[in-house]
Amino acid sequence: DAKTTQPPSMDCAEGRAANLPCNHSTISGNEYVYWYRQIHSQGPQYIIHGLKNNETNEMASLIITEDRKSSTLILPHATLRDTAVYYCIVRGGVSGGSNYKLTFGKGTLLTVNP
Amino acid sequence: NAGVMQNPRHLVRRRGQEARLRCSPMKGHSHVYWYRQLPEEGLKFMVYLQKENIIDESGMPKERFSAEFPKEGPSILRIQQVVRGDSAAYFCASSPVGPTSGAYNEQFFGPGTRLTVL
Repeated sequence: DAKTTQPPSMDCAEGRAANLPCNHSTISGNEYVYWYRQIHSQGPQYIIHGLKNNETNEMASLIITEDRKSSTLILPHATLRDTAVYYCIVRGGVSGGSNYKLTFGKGTLLTVNP
Repeated sequence: NAGVMQNPRHLVRRRGQEARLRCSPMKGHSHVYWYRQLPEEGLKFMVYLQKENIIDESGMPKERFSAEFPKEGPSILRIQQVVRGDSAAYFCASSPVGPTSGAYNEQFFGPGTRLTVL
């Protein structure tokens, strides 16, 4: 799976949008970009995933650049409960292989301030 | 629908003792994955099991560690003769389908078991 690079930490004011970047310049054509987050002392929580189109769900939006070498996770209105470590993961296609192996780096610690 | 359950949440063992960590997957899920998170590190894959079968244990240390997922009951991660370096958070995840199903197999994580070896 391709390697990802994320800033170690970011701050965001409550109520503002949080934009978390991720670089994955070696991503291959059939690899998806996934985002998980881990709130302190809890298990990781799935947020969103995408292949090449932008995606949106009730939690967040995912913007993937046209060349797919980077992406941005957007939390539109951050709350204090969004303070967590956010992991960007590149994962193989959904069919076959060892795509079940999620490889978590150190992620970005997002701190939402009141 | 209850989520993935793990117990105990905290486990303290002395060096040389055995540690048994349990994971009950979500209802209807027959695929279980174990991950380990060392202090200040990201999660690392250990093993993938389907009911009664170990599919991939490539992330498991070769000695002292074993995992099972019996036909009935929870999945068990067993660590024999624990050492201080085994102190970590152990997370279990489950999914309803496997990687060859052709469908997206999102993994749902439990709250983890924090093992401390004295």
